[in-house]
Amino acid sequence: GENVEQHPSTLSVQEGDSAVIKCTYSDSASNYFPWYKQELGKRPQLIIDIRSNVGEKKDQRIAVTLNKTAKHFSLHITETQPEDSAVYFCAAGGKTSYDKVIFGPGTSLSVIP
Amino acid sequence: EADIYQTPRYLVIGTGKKITLECSQTMGHDKMYWYQQDPGMELHLIHYSYGVNSTEKGDLSSESTVSRIRTEHFPLTLESARPSHTSQYLCASSEWGGRGTDTQYFGPGTRLTVL
Repeated sequence: GENVEQHPSTLSVQEGDSAVIKCTYSDSASNYFPWYKQELGKRPQLIIDIRSNVGEKKDQRIAVTLNKTAKHFSLHITETQPEDSAVYFCAAGGKTSYDKVIFGPGTSLSVIP
Repeated sequence: EADIYQTPRYLVIGTGKKITLECSQTMGHDKMYWYQQDPGMELHLIHYSYGVNSTEKGDLSSESTVSRIRTEHFPLTLESARPSHTSQYLCASSEWGGRGTDTQYFGPGTRLTVL
């Protein structure tokens, strides 16, 4: 089955700097890659996703890149703000409509004012 | 905010008790999930359902059961609660989208403490 690894497990950046979180997956048939953000005490929420027919997707300060050949994808946050502090989870799946995504172990991001 | 509900929100119970955690969604989603998560830590899949009368076990399923008799309802039962079950339990639902997306919407969680 699918296995998703995520690095780093913790990340601290200064406000205004960029943050990058990287994930790798094992199943080459996976073609859907979402990212979720979980703020302290709250539920995870989708922030961006990408399909395998797209190499990059942007939404304001957030971007995701996908390299299907290498089976890795990354989340980039530019101009970080304190409210970006949270745990971020990547996931992979979407082979069929019955498939479930598999989550990575998460990255705890701290943005230092 | 997505319409997915969990009850109770908090539960303190003694060892050996049987408990059922409730999860309901009003979005008509075919897929539903149960996760166990300690604060800020990994999401561990307990059970998964891709439709009525279909359930699959996840990594942590051995001590719990689920049922999916109605699309909107996906209860989780612990037959005999143990202190190791102390954690937060998150329910989620999703629908396979036309663009091949599969966004999961999470409930607010049930925080379980087993004494």
